[in-house]
Amino acid sequence: DQQVKQNSPSLSVQEGRISILNCDYTNSMFDYFLWYKKYPAEGPTFLISISSIKDKNEDGRFTVFLNKSAKHLSLHIVPSQPGDSAVYFCAASEDDKIIFGKGTRLHILP
Amino acid sequence: GAVVSQHPSWVICKSGTSVKIECRSLDFQATTMFWYRQFPKQSLMLMATSNEGSKATYEQGVEKDKFLINHASLTLSTLTVTSAHPEDSSFYICSASTLAGVATQYFGPGTRLLVL
Repeated sequence: DQQVKQNSPSLSVQEGRISILNCDYTNSMFDYFLWYKKYPAEGPTFLISISSIKDKNEDGRFTVFLNKSAKHLSLHIVPSQPGDSAVYFCAASEDDKIIFGKGTRLHILP
Repeated sequence: GAVVSQHPSWVICKSGTSVKIECRSLDFQATTMFWYRQFPKQSLMLMATSNEGSKATYEQGVEKDKFLINHASLTLSTLTVTSAHPEDSSFYICSASTLAGVATQYFGPGTRLLVL
């Protein structure tokens, strides 16, 4: 039973446009949500996080939105750049354990 | 920033042999280290959590006698895959965190294991 779901395995976005990556979760006890970026054969790199008591967190080009009632969060990247092409993992934490989604591969098109 | 290294970065071994993977926090002391496993096109699955000086806590379904974890110091944790079989072939990633909490987990680059 997947507690963190990323239903889009891949996404293609034109350079300069906005990339929106979505994530759904089932466990209402999660207290922290995180997004990681991963290149092939490398470990994940932390991007941005949001506490369950907030609904938005912004850091430069990255903004994460949390809708607790819908158990949904999204990562917005604007403007999208070629270096953003990677796999993005949504993750949720409870008691210092992190549970990852399956990831969404983002392709930034020239 | 905090750096976590893993060694080796890749390993090929014969079925039945044991493989040790090291995870080191290079410039900080890690109170807790985590070991993950990733199959192709799947999410990172937490295998176990280890705190320095104590036994690791394994996730359900992970055989602790097969995946031996030692966290002997605040900068080093090892994962030993004992009697490896082809189904153990995977990408193993460690992460290390400080007392600051889960958001400050720093991930290693991963180790790709291929068991022939």
